[in-house]
Amino acid sequence: AQSVTQLDSQVPVFEEAPVELRCNYSSSVSVYLFWYVQYPNQGLQLLLKYLSGSTLVESINGFEAEFNKSQTSFHLRKPSVHISDTAEYFCAVISQGGSEKLVFGKGTKLTVNP
Amino acid sequence: DTGVSQDPRHKITKRGQNVTFRCDPISEHNRLYWYRQTLGQGPEFLTYFQNEAQLEKSRLLSDRFSAERPKGSFSTLEIQRTEQGDSAMYLCASSLTGNSPLHFGNGTRLTVT
Repeated sequence: AQSVTQLDSQVPVFEEAPVELRCNYSSSVSVYLFWYVQYPNQGLQLLLKYLSGSTLVESINGFEAEFNKSQTSFHLRKPSVHISDTAEYFCAVISQGGSEKLVFGKGTKLTVNP
Repeated sequence: DTGVSQDPRHKITKRGQNVTFRCDPISEHNRLYWYRQTLGQGPEFLTYFQNEAQLEKSRLLSDRFSAERPKGSFSTLEIQRTEQGDSAMYLCASSLTGNSPLHFGNGTRLTVT
C-alpha cells in the first residue's frame, strides 16, 4: 500500500518570496507522482506529474517538482509566488501496475500575503 | 472536453434519509473514481470503475454506500440511512487509462443534520 506525508499543513509566505511544499511518500513498488491544486471554492486541478524520464517536472505557471527516489520525496517549489497562488496543494501517488487507486496526502494550505 | 460534472452541488438531508449523487465523466474516459473529502483532509478513495465494472472498493465504503455505473458512462453514488459522519464533499473523477491523471469534478457537498 502507498502513503503520502505532507509535512506542513499550512505555509504562509509573502508575495514574490520562494516557497517549497514538502511531500514524502512510502511504497513497496514503483510509483507515479502528482501534485494537485485546489483554489478556494473550486475542484482539484492537476498541477504537474512525474511518470518517467527527467526527475524535474514543471508546470505552466512556474511551479516545479523534483522526484528523488532515494529520499522518496517529491517536493514542490516556486522561486517567486503570487497572491493568486493562494490555494491548497495536494501531493498524490499511484502504483505502477496493480491498484489504480490514487492516494493523496492531507494537503498544504499555501497563503500568499501582500 | 466538457469536464467532469457532478449533481447536485449541495445536498442537505436529515439523518436517516437516503441520498443519491450523480457523476458524468469526460466522455472518452473509461475509468471513474469516487472520493470523499472532509475539512482539513486530503481526498480519500472510495471506489473506482473501469467501464461498468467496479474494480476496487475502500474499507471506508460501508454497506450503506453503493455505487453503480450501469452503462459505463455516468455513475451514481447512493448513501442509505445517512449519518452525521457522512457529511463531506464527495468528489468524482475520471481518467483515460489506469495511470493517467485524474480529472475531478467540483464535488457534491453533503450536509447531514
